[in-house]
Amino acid sequence: AQSVAQPEDQVNVAEGNPLTVKCTYSVSGNPYLFWYVQYPNRGLQFLLKYITGDNLVKGSYGFEAEFNKSQTSFHLKKPSALVSDSALYFCAVRPVTGGGNKLTFGTGTQLKVEL
Amino acid sequence: SAVISQKPSRDICQRGTSLTIQCQVDSQVTMMFWYRQQPGQSLTLIATANQGSEATYESGFVIDKFPISRPNLTFSTLTVSNMSPEDSSIYLCSGAFGGNTEAFFGQGTRLTVV
Repeated sequence: AQSVAQPEDQVNVAEGNPLTVKCTYSVSGNPYLFWYVQYPNRGLQFLLKYITGDNLVKGSYGFEAEFNKSQTSFHLKKPSALVSDSALYFCAVRPVTGGGNKLTFGTGTQLKVEL
Repeated sequence: SAVISQKPSRDICQRGTSLTIQCQVDSQVTMMFWYRQQPGQSLTLIATANQGSEATYESGFVIDKFPISRPNLTFSTLTVSNMSPEDSSIYLCSGAFGGNTEAFFGQGTRLTVV
């Protein structure tokens, strides 16, 4: 069975500072890894994904994430946070083979960016 | 990706009644899924909607409570039957093309059962 852990319920950061939202995963075989963002009263929006190749992936709105196979992690990062980045962030995983294309989500991390 | 239109966006329903949520995708997709999300919490997969056949339900979810239809590759419905206040939640539709592509989501339906 696959699983995702997001150890922080909430991350607070000052605008202009770098941010990191942590994610670790467990899956049989190689993973596809995803980050999604959810604004209040909205559905999930795709930010970025790791499928293969370069461990550093870049996505929407200046976000990036680093895949670390040995640590089974896929932390989300942004060099300079904006107040508008405040939202709920979800990490998700599914195996490259098997699993029926079903995503498993983490519990979510609320990011709060303050002036 | 594609765009999913989900409706209604919200509803308040009486206990014992049923609500059908519709999900329309602007292109043909290989897979469609239905999730439940308590506000501010994670997503729980209810079922995979299979085109032309019965949906595949996850543990803890049954067809009698959550009947799902998927008559073609662009449309699916989820019915929440015989509702109780415990069914109050956000229901999300998702589509995917398969392979290494990302899933995409509707805006969600916020259901309150009174």
